[in-house]
Amino acid sequence: DAGITQSPRHKVTETGTPVTLRCHQTENHRYMYWYRQDPGHGLRLIHYSYGVKDTDKGEVSDGYSVSRSKTEDFLLTLESATSSQTSVYFCAIGGRTGNTGELFFGEGSRLTVL
Amino acid sequence: GENVEQHPSTLSVQEGDSAVIKCTYSDSASNYFPWYKQELGKRPQLIIDIRSNVGEKKDQRIAVTLNKTAKHFSLHITETQPEDSAVYFCAASVAGNTPLVFGKGTRLSVIA
Repeated sequence: DAGITQSPRHKVTETGTPVTLRCHQTENHRYMYWYRQDPGHGLRLIHYSYGVKDTDKGEVSDGYSVSRSKTEDFLLTLESATSSQTSVYFCAIGGRTGNTGELFFGEGSRLTVL
Repeated sequence: GENVEQHPSTLSVQEGDSAVIKCTYSDSASNYFPWYKQELGKRPQLIIDIRSNVGEKKDQRIAVTLNKTAKHFSLHITETQPEDSAVYFCAASVAGNTPLVFGKGTRLSVIA
C-alpha cells in the first residue's frame, strides 16, 4: 500500500463545531485529493492540491477549506460542521507515473455530525 | 466539467456467471478511464484502467472496453466468484490534467 494515512479515523462532533481532518503521505507525491463518499453519490471531489500552497476546488467544495503547507500533509477543515457533512472522507494521492491517473486512497475518516 | 453516469446501481449474479457494468462520460477530451473496487469497509483500489488509444484491455477475468465515439466504457467480469462481491466505481479524466470524476458506483453481489 502507498504510504498514506488519515487521522482521525473516526470522529463524532456537534453541529457548528470546527473539524480538521489530516492526510499524511510518505510518497513525496505532488498531487493530493480529498473526496467524500455518500450512499447513492459515489466519490465526489471536495478539493485537491497540485503542490505546496497550490490548491483548487472540486465539485462539492462549499463549507470546506484546505491547506497544504508541506508536501506530505493535506488538511481538510470544516469551519462550522453541519449534519449534511456527515460522511466518509477519503484522501488520495496521485499515481507514481506523475500524472493524475491512478489514485492511491487512504483508509478513510468517518465523520458524524450530530 | 466531466459527468460520469454508471449503471446499474446494483447487480446480482450467480457464481460463475458474467457481470457487466456500464459507464458513460460527457467530456470528449477525457482519455483515461480507470475502474476501482471497494470491498466493504475498505478503501477503493484500482483494478484495471484503459486509455483512449486502445479499445479493449484484459487482465485475467477482468476486461474493459471503450467506445470513444459513443463515449461509453464497460467493465466485464467473467466466471464471477464470491470475492468479486464489492462496490465498483468507474471514473474518467484527462490524464495529467484533470482530477478523476467518479460514477456513483455499482454494488455487485455474487451469489454462491
